[in-house]
Amino acid sequence: QVQLVESGGGLVKPGGSLRLSCAASGFTFSDYYMTWIRQAPGKGLEWISYISSSSSYTNYADSVRGRFSVSRDNAKNSLYLQMNSLRAEDAAVYYCARRITATGQIDYWGQGTLVTVSS
Amino acid sequence: EIVLTQSPGTLSLSPGERATLSCRASQSVTSSYLAWYQQKPGQAPRLLIYGASSRATGIPDRFSGSGSGTDFTLTISRLEPEDFAVYYCQQYGGSPQYTFGQGTKLEIK
Repeated sequence: QVQLVESGGGLVKPGGSLRLSCAASGFTFSDYYMTWIRQAPGKGLEWISYISSSSSYTNYADSVRGRFSVSRDNAKNSLYLQMNSLRAEDAAVYYCARRITATGQIDYWGQGTLVTVSS
Repeated sequence: EIVLTQSPGTLSLSPGERATLSCRASQSVTSSYLAWYQQKPGQAPRLLIYGASSRATGIPDRFSGSGSGTDFTLTISRLEPEDFAVYYCQQYGGSPQYTFGQGTKLEIK
């Protein structure tokens, strides 16, 4: 079955960096676009970024553009999110998710990893 | 930027009742690109409906979606205890690429 397992979350100081990873299994990873979505505590869902199946295309929300970078390694069935210049407002649970390429719905989500930004 | 506004913010109903959740877009949304998700406390969201009206795999037929243009609806025909959760609508393809509604909390009355 499809599994997405995030890791790499934790406590980081404002201005610091963190790299999230997502290990995928149960499907042909290289066939799918992947996306990152976050949820601040007690808040709604916010799309962060997506990357195409071959890494040719990426896109970012304005709130993270220039600070976050998405990448993938299809040989390792892994998705990454490099987060730099972190701010207090970046604190959230970060979900890795699989996207249906043509119509964009997100059909599988990981369990999430918590990022806390505090001094 | 496409903004999705969900109403009501909280809906209080009893098991067995019918729930109607609304999602209104600030601009027209292609129906193919409108989805609904359910989220329970401490869990990741789960895809319920895609393409405005197609049920995802394994979703019971008491869940249905409808609508077009700027007005979309999620209906739960007869509420089961496990249906009490937060529901989000989502559009794809506008600017930004994805936007979510703020959510409707469905709570037990």
